[in-house]
Parts: sequence; C-alpha cells; structure tokens
Amino acid sequence: GQNIDQPTEMTATEGAIVQINCTYQTSGFNGLFWYQQHAGEAPTFLSYNVLDGLEEKGRFSSFLSRSKGYSYLLLKELQMKDSASYLCAVPSGAGSYQLTFGKGTKLSVIP
Amino acid sequence: EPEVTQTPSHQVTQMGQEVILRCVPISNHLYFYWYRQILGQKVEFLVSFYNNEISEKSEIFDDQFSVERPDGSNFTLKIRSTKLEDSAMYFCASSEEDNYGYTFGSGTRLTVV
Repeated sequence: GQNIDQPTEMTATEGAIVQINCTYQTSGFNGLFWYQQHAGEAPTFLSYNVLDGLEEKGRFSSFLSRSKGYSYLLLKELQMKDSASYLCAVPSGAGSYQLTFGKGTKLSVIP
Repeated sequence: EPEVTQTPSHQVTQMGQEVILRCVPISNHLYFYWYRQILGQKVEFLVSFYNNEISEKSEIFDDQFSVERPDGSNFTLKIRSTKLEDSAMYFCASSEEDNYGYTFGSGTRLTVV
C-alpha cells in the first residue's frame, strides 16, 4: 500500500521561501503530485514529478528523489494568498488511476 | 478555462435518506472520479469510472454507494441510506485520458443529521 507523511502545519513570512517536505512509501512508483487546497475549496494541481530532480514552475518548484522516497515543494516570494494546505499524493499503483493523498501541510503566511 | 461543475454546493439530509450528488465533468474528458474529504482529514478516493463502468473503487465505496452517467454530460454519486459518518465534502474530478491530470470540481458539502 501507500503511506505518505507531511508536516501538519508550517508558518512563513510574506516574501520568504518555504520548503514543504513529503516522504512516501509505495508498492510501485508512478510519480508524485502536489496539490494546493484553500480552505473549503477543491484541490488544484501544482506539479507532477516522475523523474528525480527539481522542476521549476514560476514561484513554485518541486523536487523528487525516488531512491529516498522524498519530495519537497518549494514556494518562493511568498504571498498572503499562498496560505493554504499543500497536499502530496501518489498514484496507487501501475494501471491505477486513483491517487492516495497525504494529510496535507497547512501553510500560514504572515505579514 | 473549462471546469467541473458540482451541484448542490451544500446538502443537508436526515440519516437514512438517499442523496444524489451531481457533477458535470469537462466535456472532452473520459475518466471520472469521486473523492471525499471528511472535515480536517485527508482527501480519500471513492471510485473511478470509464466507458460507462466502474474502473476501481475503494473500501469506502460499499453497497450504499453507486455511480451513474445517466446522459452524455452528468455523472452522479448516490448514497442509498446516509449515515452520520457520510458527512464530508465530496469532490468530483475528471481527466482527459488515462493520466493523472485531474480537474476537481468545487465540491458538495454533505451534512447528515
């Protein structure tokens, strides 16, 4: 099965950089997703990593190390609107379309 | 930008009653999903649907649950006899192909009293 661990909460200052970590155990690796979820809203797709390394997309970057079962989401130049939960998710297996989500990291951006 | 539409946004129902949650996936998407999120907990997979049949379902998706695509646009989740523990936000999602580029709907908050 799949197991995902993320910190429950983080606080960071507007304009700063924050790194949200995710460790996972899967029976077969088929990529790792990051989603953003504002309170009471739907998850929205941020990134998908299937190969090792860093992928940058504007202010957000995502890193993956398959050998370590580790990923992080890096948010730069934090804005107040970045206050949200960030969900790490992995597919449940080869040929499976379902995602297993972590509990999410609630990020609070303060002035 | 195309979006997945869910109705109603909030539904309150009495325990034991049947509810139908409705979703209109993005028009050219072929894969449909239901997830739920109990307040304060993680997003959980319920069921995936392709080519008019269930592809996968989780342990949560027991005999009380069913899905249907009654016409070319709607995708519904029915809970036959609701329980208090069914109170959650229910998200519909769709994807164009057998990849994981889901688009989630804005959700239906179901409250069972």
